[in-house]
Amino acid sequence: NAGVTQTPKFRVLKTGQSMTLLCAQDMNHEYMYWYRQDPGMGLRLIHYSVGEGTTAKGEVPDGYNVSRLKKQNFLLGLESAAPSQTSVYFCASSLPGGLASYEQYFGPGTRLTVT
Amino acid sequence: GESVGLHLPTLSVQEGDNSIINCAYSNSASDYFIWYKQESGKGPQFIIDIRSNMDKRQGQRVTVLLNKTVKHLSLQIAATQPGDSAVYFCAEITLNRDDKIIFGKGTRLHILP
Repeated sequence: NAGVTQTPKFRVLKTGQSMTLLCAQDMNHEYMYWYRQDPGMGLRLIHYSVGEGTTAKGEVPDGYNVSRLKKQNFLLGLESAAPSQTSVYFCASSLPGGLASYEQYFGPGTRLTVT
Repeated sequence: GESVGLHLPTLSVQEGDNSIINCAYSNSASDYFIWYKQESGKGPQFIIDIRSNMDKRQGQRVTVLLNKTVKHLSLQIAATQPGDSAVYFCAEITLNRDDKIIFGKGTRLHILP
């Protein structure tokens, strides 16, 4: 049982390049989330999904797109990377419903640098 | 690259002593609170939670205290061990039509040998 995994672990992009971050979970969780973590700030929610085929915007969605084609995978895309998107990205998953949806299991993170 | 923990307040505690990490939250209507532990290079890990109708909850070596009067949350770790070295942050959750979770910035706990 691997839990939540993220690919890649590290990436350096040039401004304007695109990339996709992959998150996979093997816990059969309905809910999945993408966060970014920046120095001196708390985690901020980018997008989330409450089930296969559904996505919704979080607190800081601009510049990102997501897709949830399969229940176990949640993809985060950057179409045209900007230096402001340099951050550590975390994926998380949880069971649905009330407080259980906040007991989130996090992946190990992807460190992205945009130059 | 710069660590996300570089600018965080740091608490240094002798191994074996008790640690108290504090968190001030923003919304007096928050319904639920969680403490997370984040070790270097890893994702956050759930430690303990508490509902707003409680003022204390205990787990294994950890206790969370909630003071709604001053909007303050604390995490107490008993008999601190080297493996407790990490960044600890709180999260407050408001449950209504638009559920919202706000994460704190965190405190780095450094264990002295």
